[in-house]
Amino acid sequence: DAGVIQSPRHEVTEMGQEVTLRCKPISGHNSLFWYRQTMMRGLELLIYFNNNVPIDDSGMPEDRFSAKMPNASFSTLKIQPSEPRDSAVYFCASSALLTDTQYFGPGTRLTVL
Amino acid sequence: KQEVTQIPAALSVPEGENLVLNCSFTDSAIYNLQWFRQDPGKGLTSLLLIQSSQREQTSGRLNASLDKSSGRSTLYIAASQPGDSATYLCAVPQGFKAAGNKLTFGGGTRVLVKP
Repeated sequence: DAGVIQSPRHEVTEMGQEVTLRCKPISGHNSLFWYRQTMMRGLELLIYFNNNVPIDDSGMPEDRFSAKMPNASFSTLKIQPSEPRDSAVYFCASSALLTDTQYFGPGTRLTVL
Repeated sequence: KQEVTQIPAALSVPEGENLVLNCSFTDSAIYNLQWFRQDPGKGLTSLLLIQSSQREQTSGRLNASLDKSSGRSTLYIAASQPGDSATYLCAVPQGFKAAGNKLTFGGGTRVLVKP
């Protein structure tokens, strides 16, 4: 298996622009997680899905952030409009339902100028 | 609210020395604890997962212990090698297993093993 796939790996954009991050989980995994990592706040869970359904989005910082999972093999995290403080590395992870080990993607490094 | 702390934030040792990494958590009502490794510019790789009923878990040169009552876990890496240089993070689930595997991470310990 190719593991969790994220795209793009790097994104540089200007403040106010819309940013879409993409994730393909490991085939057969039913749970998907979006995390954000910064030097100041460490690794934070933003939202997670079970069987394509958002279960908990309490970590989503603001209404500017939204996430979707239209099918079992694809998820997006959208920021609209983006701000410099959104600059971070965004990770997607997946796991099989009712198991504990999460498998992380390589991350998307987002820079908002 | 669960808080996870890792001290020290950074550690430098000569090759061959044993590494001891510490993780503490404030809420002992956890059902497991995981240790991850993160290489620069990469995602996290799960190293060991200890269930709450276990006291330790071993994989090769890695050994992780868990003391729920004191809110601590320790990751031991025997005979360290330069390839062990990375950041090591511990994580515990938030709430009960039925609530889903939401993880709270420590800040990590950045390890440098000098040849």
